[in-house]
Amino acid sequence: SQTIHQWPATLVQPVGSPLSLECTVEGTSNPNLYWYRQAAGRGLQLLFYSVGIGQISSEVPQNLSASRPQDRQFILSSKKLLLSDSGFYLCAWSGGLQETQYFGPGTRLLVL
Amino acid sequence: GENVEQHPSTLSVQEGDSAVIKCTYSDSASNYFPWYKQELGKGPQLIIDIRSNVGEKKDQRIAVTLNKTAKHFSLHITETQPEDSAVYFCAAAGLGGSYIPTFGRGTSLIVHP
Repeated sequence: SQTIHQWPATLVQPVGSPLSLECTVEGTSNPNLYWYRQAAGRGLQLLFYSVGIGQISSEVPQNLSASRPQDRQFILSSKKLLLSDSGFYLCAWSGGLQETQYFGPGTRLLVL
Repeated sequence: GENVEQHPSTLSVQEGDSAVIKCTYSDSASNYFPWYKQELGKGPQLIIDIRSNVGEKKDQRIAVTLNKTAKHFSLHITETQPEDSAVYFCAAAGLGGSYIPTFGRGTSLIVHP
């Protein structure tokens, strides 16, 4: 069966520091991968998605970037965090020809 | 692009009552409608989904109905229990290799014992 992992689970970072969040998927090949941010208020904002290694599409211009160095690894990064980057970050995957997205456990980021 | 509206934003019911959450979508090409449940501090989990060739789907206490003509779909939870308390999201999407659903803003369901 497929499993999606995210780490760290919680992160407290000062403003201006760098960020690296990692997501990995097990049990599937060539998944579509997604990064979402969920700020207070529940809505899911799509940040990036990837249909293959090295292929990244950005949905919202922002202080963040994403990379996909391996088939089942998706990384969310920032060079300098802003207070507004605080939130709950979710990684998700879907099969190449399927529609259902499956979410990871999330990373809670607090920028102080 | 697709636009999904979800109502209500908050729903409070007594244990044993039924709960209904409604969503409308704008893109008539959408043909896949999943529902997710998100418990506090966790990622959303798929609870049920429906495709446009089906009008209704049921899984124990949970059912989803779809009206493609009116472009709306609903989640029905019967005999609610306190553990049903969570945020529920609807979404709409079309078939494609880079499936990207559009999510509603979520409904916070509170089931009082």
